[in-house]
Amino acid sequence: DVKVTQSSRYLVKRTGEKVFLECVQDMDHENMFWYRQDPGLGLRLIYFSYDVKMKEKGDIPEGYSVSREKKERFSLILESASTNQTSMYLCASKRAGNYEQYFGPGTRLTVT
Amino acid sequence: DAKTTQPNSMESNEEEPVHLPCNHSTISGTDYIHWYRQLPSQGPEYVIHGLTSNVNNRMASLAIAEDRKSSTLILHRATLRDAAVYYCIRVRGYGKLTFGQGTILTVHP
Repeated sequence: DVKVTQSSRYLVKRTGEKVFLECVQDMDHENMFWYRQDPGLGLRLIYFSYDVKMKEKGDIPEGYSVSREKKERFSLILESASTNQTSMYLCASKRAGNYEQYFGPGTRLTVT
Repeated sequence: DAKTTQPNSMESNEEEPVHLPCNHSTISGTDYIHWYRQLPSQGPEYVIHGLTSNVNNRMASLAIAEDRKSSTLILHRATLRDAAVYYCIRVRGYGKLTFGQGTILTVHP
């Protein structure tokens, strides 16, 4: 079975801190995604990566950056955390050419 | 943006079939219909997808209307573990997923 893991289930950070969210998948998938999920707004794409060292902006990239140095790992970086970045962050991966995305359990980030 | 319309909530009894409807009246010819579900405190889970023909897998069946303006996810025998939020989404291109509010399915013992 595909496994997508995220570094933390819950995280509390202060405004202005630099935050790293890590995602690791174990099925050699080429494509990886970072989403955030908020009540009333559904799931929104922040960034995605076709393959190693490749990245593309999603619908809401402002305030975020990403890093994909190894195929199995996709990191989301909040350069200077703000309270409006309090959210559930979900990582997903899939094989190129396939449709099924596999999600991690999510990281609930609170910025105070 | 791609839009689908689903009922806010539905209820079912255990071991009964469940039909979850979805309207996607503005769908284009290359859009796939995907269904995901999200159990409490978990990430979304892929259920099924299709383009034009009805599809079956171990989890569910997907019935797509001939004009593709609507579809129905069928759980043949609901279990308590099927209680979740079900999302119907249109997917094109590289596969970006945009979830709306989905349907909250409650399964009664």
